[in-house]
This record gives sequence, structure tokens and C-alpha cells, in this order.
Amino acid sequence: AQSVTQLDSQVPVFEEAPVELRCNYSSSVSVYLFWYVQYPNQGLQLLLKYLSGSTLVESINGFEAEFNKSQTSFHLRKPSVHISDTAEYFCAVSDTQTGSARQLTFGSGTQLTVLP
Amino acid sequence: DGGITQSPKYLFRKEGQNVTLSCEQNLNHDAMYWYRQDPGQGLRLIYYSQIVNDFQKGDIAEGYSVSREKKESFPLTVTSAQKNPTAFYLCASSVNRDTGWPQHFGDGTRLSIL
Repeated sequence: AQSVTQLDSQVPVFEEAPVELRCNYSSSVSVYLFWYVQYPNQGLQLLLKYLSGSTLVESINGFEAEFNKSQTSFHLRKPSVHISDTAEYFCAVSDTQTGSARQLTFGSGTQLTVLP
Repeated sequence: DGGITQSPKYLFRKEGQNVTLSCEQNLNHDAMYWYRQDPGQGLRLIYYSQIVNDFQKGDIAEGYSVSREKKESFPLTVTSAQKNPTAFYLCASSVNRDTGWPQHFGDGTRLSIL
């Protein structure tokens, strides 16, 4: 079984400032890692994922996350945020074993609020 | 455009009543999922289906039922046995049964008790 901890439930930040949303996971097996974003009253959108290969993954809108196996972390970063980045962000983990990879475990979410 | 359509957007349930939430996708995805979202708790898996006429319980299946008679449709019934049904319900899909993680979500149904 896996678990995910998002250390901050709320992160306020000023526009054009950098931001880091923290995510730590616990698992006894190899994992896949994901970040999803949810805008108000909408479903989730897959922002980026780590499956294998390079530990640094990027999204099309300037976010990046780095898989750190030794620290069991997958923090999400953006060097300069915009008002439109205001949303709730969910970290999720899935183990890599065939037959059980279908069950994601989600963190409790981090509300990012970008202030003008 | 391809996507997932959930209806209704808002739903009210009376005590002792069963209600059904609709989820339709035109993405030709094999796998579909139902999640429940409560404030401060992230998403929890209710049921998932990897193929037509087959589905599996997730972490919180008690008080819920599903069917998967067509590839495009995965309706969720919230039964009277679910004592705390007030939540935001999200349907999702992924391209094949082995992908494992949901790639597309609907915009959700918010269920409340009258």
C-alpha cells in the first residue's frame, strides 16, 4: 500500500514569484508519480507524470517536478506564477506492478492562491 | 471534442432514496473510474472498470453500485445504504486497462441531502 502526504494545505504567493508545492510518498515498491490540477467546480487535469527515465518532468505551462527516490519526494515547482495558476493541486502515486497499477492514491491537496 | 460528460451537475437526494449519476465518454477509453471527493481528503476510489461487463470495488464501495453495459457508459448509483453521500463525485477514464491512472476527468456531480 502507498500513502501520499502533501505538507501544505494552503500556499499563498504573489504573482511572478516562485512556488514549490511539496509532496512526499511512502511505498514498499516502485512507483509512478503524478500531479493533477483542479480548477473550481471542475474535474482534475493531469499536469505531469513520472513513469521512468529522467527524474525531472515538465508540463506545457511551466511547471516541473523532480522525483527524488532517496527522499521519497515529488515536489512541484514553477519559477514564476500567474493569477491563472490559482487552483488546487493533487499529488498521486501508483505502484508499478501489473494488476495493481490502476489504483491511484491521492494526497489531500494543496490550494495554491496567486495574489496580485 | 472528445471528453467525459457527467450529469447532472447538481443532485439532491431524499432520505431512503437511490440516485444515479451518469458518466458518458466518447474517448474510446477502456477503463473508467468513479471517485468521491470530500474537502481536505483528496479523492477516494469507489469503483473502477477495465472492460465492458466487468468492474471492481475500490476503497469505499459500500453503499454504491455500478454497471458497465457499454464501453461509453459507467453510471454510479448511490443507494440508501450510503449514510453520508454528500460529496463531489468525479468520473474518469484511461485509454487502456493497463494504463492504470486516470487521464481524463469529467466536471463532476455535486450530491447533497435534502
